[in-house]
Amino acid sequence: NAGVTQTPKFQVLKTGQSMTLQCAQDMNHEYMSWYRQDPGMGLRLIHYSVGAGITDQGEVPNGYNVSRSTTEDFPLRLLSAAPSQTSVYFCASSYSGSPGANVLTFGAGSRLTVL
Amino acid sequence: AQKVTQAQTEISVVEKEDVTLDCVYETRDTTYYLFWYKQPPSGELVFLIRRNSFDEQNEISGRYSWNFQKSTSSFNFTITASQVVDSAVYFCALSKAAGNKLTFGGGTRVLVKP
Repeated sequence: NAGVTQTPKFQVLKTGQSMTLQCAQDMNHEYMSWYRQDPGMGLRLIHYSVGAGITDQGEVPNGYNVSRSTTEDFPLRLLSAAPSQTSVYFCASSYSGSPGANVLTFGAGSRLTVL
Repeated sequence: AQKVTQAQTEISVVEKEDVTLDCVYETRDTTYYLFWYKQPPSGELVFLIRRNSFDEQNEISGRYSWNFQKSTSSFNFTITASQVVDSAVYFCALSKAAGNKLTFGGGTRVLVKP
């Protein structure tokens, strides 16, 4: 049981380049989400999904795109990378029902540097 | 809007000392969940506890204990007899009852010296 798998673990981009962070879970969780972690600011929600075909914006969605064509996958796309998007990105998933409601299982994280 | 405040950015203790991490939250919801996560130096995020807003009983798990006080909107975390392996960043978080949108505090870095 792999849990939540994120790729790549590290990435360096130049300003203006685009890329996709991949996220896959094998736990049949309905909910998936993307957070970014910046020093002193905790984790902030970028986008989330409550099921295949349904996505919505979180707290800091600008510059990012998501889609959810399957229950398992939730890729995060950076459309035109900017230095302000240098961060550590975490994908997470969770059940909607008890007993594990809202308990997020996180991927290992992806460290992105934009030059 | 929901908000979580962890006023302590860094705490340094000597092994075997107790350490308490403060967490204060704001929400207009009557039903919500509170969480603590641990992030060791390796970087992964490890779930520690989830508390329902209706359950104000304190909880103890080994050397870890949690004090939930709805009257002061606080959900504090104590590590008893700290060990070097407890060195990590600890995050407090809050969510509505429905959905998986967590609001995190800024985190408290705990350094346990031998």
